[in-house]
Amino acid sequence: AQSVAQPEDQVNVAEGNPLTVKCTYSVSGNPYLFWYVQYPNRGLQFLLKYITGDNLVKGSYGFEAEFNKSQPSFHLKKPSALVSDSALYFCAVNHGGSQGNLIFGKGTKLSVKP
Amino acid sequence: EAQVTQNPRYLITVTGKKLTVTCSQNMNHEYMSWYRQDPGLGLRQIYYSMNVEVTDKGDVPEGYKVSRKEKRNFPLILESPSPNQTSLYFCASSLIAGAPDTQYFGPGTRLTVL
Repeated sequence: AQSVAQPEDQVNVAEGNPLTVKCTYSVSGNPYLFWYVQYPNRGLQFLLKYITGDNLVKGSYGFEAEFNKSQPSFHLKKPSALVSDSALYFCAVNHGGSQGNLIFGKGTKLSVKP
Repeated sequence: EAQVTQNPRYLITVTGKKLTVTCSQNMNHEYMSWYRQDPGLGLRQIYYSMNVEVTDKGDVPEGYKVSRKEKRNFPLILESPSPNQTSLYFCASSLIAGAPDTQYFGPGTRLTVL
């Protein structure tokens, strides 16, 4: 069965420090991986995706993610966190079926303190 | 502005009273989908539509109906709502149903069934 795991319910980081939000997955075949962010009382906003090619993907707001097929993982990273990055982050995978179903992790709450 | 809109944003209703949540996109997308978000569970797909007049069940379709009479609209219908359908609902769309395509989400509808 396809699944996505975000092992941390919450990540706390000081402003200016690097941040990592972890995501691991279990999917047969070649996965397409996504990160979305949800700010309070807002919908999900697309951050970045991995389809193929370079394992390091750069996205919006200075975020990047590294695809690691051997682990397998797709951790979200940012070199220097901002207070405004505080939000709920979702990792998702689309395994390529015609359903077009994104399988989401449970979400990780990122809290960046000044 | 390219967007997915949902109405209403907030709804409180009582058990058994039929309701409809509307979803509309202005991007000429073929694929549309409904998800529900529950704490600790992430997002789960309810129904999806590959194109006009083509709809199919997602992972949690019980108690829901949809229709796709026009390309831009994809309403979610709860014929007889129950308290376990209290949730945050998101509509999403993408150009096609292909796996690498990015899904864009509406702002969400918070539904409470008493």
